[in-house]
Amino acid sequence: NAGVTQTPKFQVLKTGQSMTLQCAQDMNHNSMYWYRQDPGMGLRLIYYSASEGTTDKGEVPNGYNVSRLNKREFSLRLESAAPSQTSVYFCASMRGDGGTSGANVLTFGAGSRLTVL
Amino acid sequence: QQQVKQSPQSLIVQKGGIPIINCAYENTAFDYFPWYQQFPGKGPALLIAIRPDVSEKKEGRFTISFNKSAKQFSLHIMDSQPGDSATYFCAASTYKAAGNKLTFGGGTRVLVKP
Repeated sequence: NAGVTQTPKFQVLKTGQSMTLQCAQDMNHNSMYWYRQDPGMGLRLIYYSASEGTTDKGEVPNGYNVSRLNKREFSLRLESAAPSQTSVYFCASMRGDGGTSGANVLTFGAGSRLTVL
Repeated sequence: QQQVKQSPQSLIVQKGGIPIINCAYENTAFDYFPWYQQFPGKGPALLIAIRPDVSEKKEGRFTISFNKSAKQFSLHIMDSQPGDSATYFCAASTYKAAGNKLTFGGGTRVLVKP
């Protein structure tokens, strides 16, 4: 049982280049999320998908786009990378079915470290 | 603006000590308060969570204290061990069926010395 799988684990980009971070979960979770982690800033929500077919902006969406390809997969795209997007990106999923046990637990992937030069 | 404020940013204790991490929130609609633990190179993982109907919850050596009137909650690690060295994040949200958005605090790096 892999949980949440993110690719790539590491990436170096030049300013202005584009790239897509891939995320897949095998837990049949309804909701999926993209966070970025920066020192002292905690985890900030970029975009999320409450259920298949829906996406919404989080706290820091500028410069990013997302696609919920199907129930399993949720990708994050940087169209024109900037040095301010240097960060560690985490994908996460949540069962999100309203049940009382564990429905609101976020399961995180291992992270993708992105450096923009 | 940060809706969940966490302090301190870092903490060093000796083995057996009790690190205490504090969080304060602003949104009175929040009704779910989890703590996540993150080891270097890994994603965060749920440690313990509390709803506002109780003032304290214990799971093993980890205890959450919750003060609804002060809009504050804290994590205590009893009899801390070197293996507890990690970054801890508090979070808050409204508890709902789908698309629940957790707002995280800034994180506290805890080092437990042998």
